[in-house]
Amino acid sequence: GAVVSQHPSWVICKSGTSVKIECRSLDFQATTMFWYRQFPKQSLMLMATSNEGSKATYEQGVEKDKFLINHASLTLSTLTVTSAHPEDSSFYICSAPTSLGFTYTQYFGPGTRLTVL
Amino acid sequence: SQELEQSPQSLIVQEGKNLTINCTSSKTLYGLYWYKQKYGEGLIFLMMLQKGGEEKSHEKITAKLDEKKQQSSLHITASQPSHAGIYLCGADLNNDYKLSFGAGTTVTVRA
Repeated sequence: GAVVSQHPSWVICKSGTSVKIECRSLDFQATTMFWYRQFPKQSLMLMATSNEGSKATYEQGVEKDKFLINHASLTLSTLTVTSAHPEDSSFYICSAPTSLGFTYTQYFGPGTRLTVL
Repeated sequence: SQELEQSPQSLIVQEGKNLTINCTSSKTLYGLYWYKQKYGEGLIFLMMLQKGGEEKSHEKITAKLDEKKQQSSLHITASQPSHAGIYLCGADLNNDYKLSFGAGTTVTVRA
């Protein structure tokens, strides 16, 4: 199946610093990618939609100035957590939709675990 | 998500036994996805259902979407230890490819 990668897989940073997370579609192009967040023992919550060539759209309650999204190419989207604080510690995971034959589906990356000290 | 109810929250099954997980929506499902996740890891795509009455199978896993497109079930036949994990249903509720997820079902398979 299609592959989506994320980098880094885990990161620890100090409070107040910024962290960039990359999401790549390895064998297909994705004009749209989605960013989700998952807190411990909870399900995934959609944060934002990353659109190649245009601005990202954010879900209600997600601060766009804090979570900067850049969809630089058809295979790369980045999420930057600016001025990170301990409450931003979470598992961030991206997805990219694609069609395999006649079937549309969404593939998820392996996730990035962010710990803010 | 309150729009998507997944049950049971967890289950323990003896190896070789069958199990069923349900996912119920208060809205029409434009696409229903089943994923498997190991805690703290990414999601492994299992199946995607779109048409009312649709049923798909892969190895020992079968997923169905009811005619009204508001409920789906995932059935595992003759469970094995490799089936252990967290199963998540994700749904496109607004025909915009954005997925809302159920709370997940933790499956434990006892040898």
